[in-house]
Amino acid sequence: NAGVTQTPKFQVLKTGQSMTLQCAQDMNHEYMSWYRQDPGMGLRLIHYSVGAGITDQGEVPNGYNVSRSTTEDFPLRLLSAAPSQTSVYFCASRSSGANVLTFGAGSRLTVL
Amino acid sequence: AQSVTQLDSQVPVFEEAPVELRCNYSSSVSVYLFWYVQYPNQGLQLLLKYLSGSTLVKGINGFEAEFNKSQTSFHLRKPSVHISDTAEYFCAVSDTGAGNMLTFGGGTRLMVKP
Repeated sequence: NAGVTQTPKFQVLKTGQSMTLQCAQDMNHEYMSWYRQDPGMGLRLIHYSVGAGITDQGEVPNGYNVSRSTTEDFPLRLLSAAPSQTSVYFCASRSSGANVLTFGAGSRLTVL
Repeated sequence: AQSVTQLDSQVPVFEEAPVELRCNYSSSVSVYLFWYVQYPNQGLQLLLKYLSGSTLVKGINGFEAEFNKSQTSFHLRKPSVHISDTAEYFCAVSDTGAGNMLTFGGGTRLMVKP
């Protein structure tokens, strides 16, 4: 059981470039989410999805897009990267009846 | 909406000493409470959770936490820490409704010294 898989683990971008952080889970979880982790600020919710075809904004959605075409995948897109998006990004999932999130290992993004 | 405050950003402690990591929350509705641990270069994993029932909750690796509704606190304790407990610890809260999105505190870095 792979759990929640995030790729890439590390990425360096230049300002204005675009990229997609991938997240896949093999637990048939309905709920998936993206967080960013910044020092002293804990984890902040970017976007989430309660099922295929349904997405919604979290606390800090600006500059990020998501889609959920399948139950398994929940990619996070940065259309025009900015230095303020330098962070560690975590994908997490849970089943609809559960209260505990399963986290991926994280993706460290640096925007120069 | 909920908020979580972790009062200490860093807690240094010697090996085999007791430790308490403090967490206070704010919410206008009933909540679930969680502690997650993040070891270096890893994702978060659940340490323990309070959903209902006994206010003293035991988790993995000898940690426990006590839910105090009147003080809106959920402090994490361990009677004797090990070097391997060095990690960042996050307190989190969610409402008890169907959405129950987690709100995290800023984290506390526990540094266990030999």
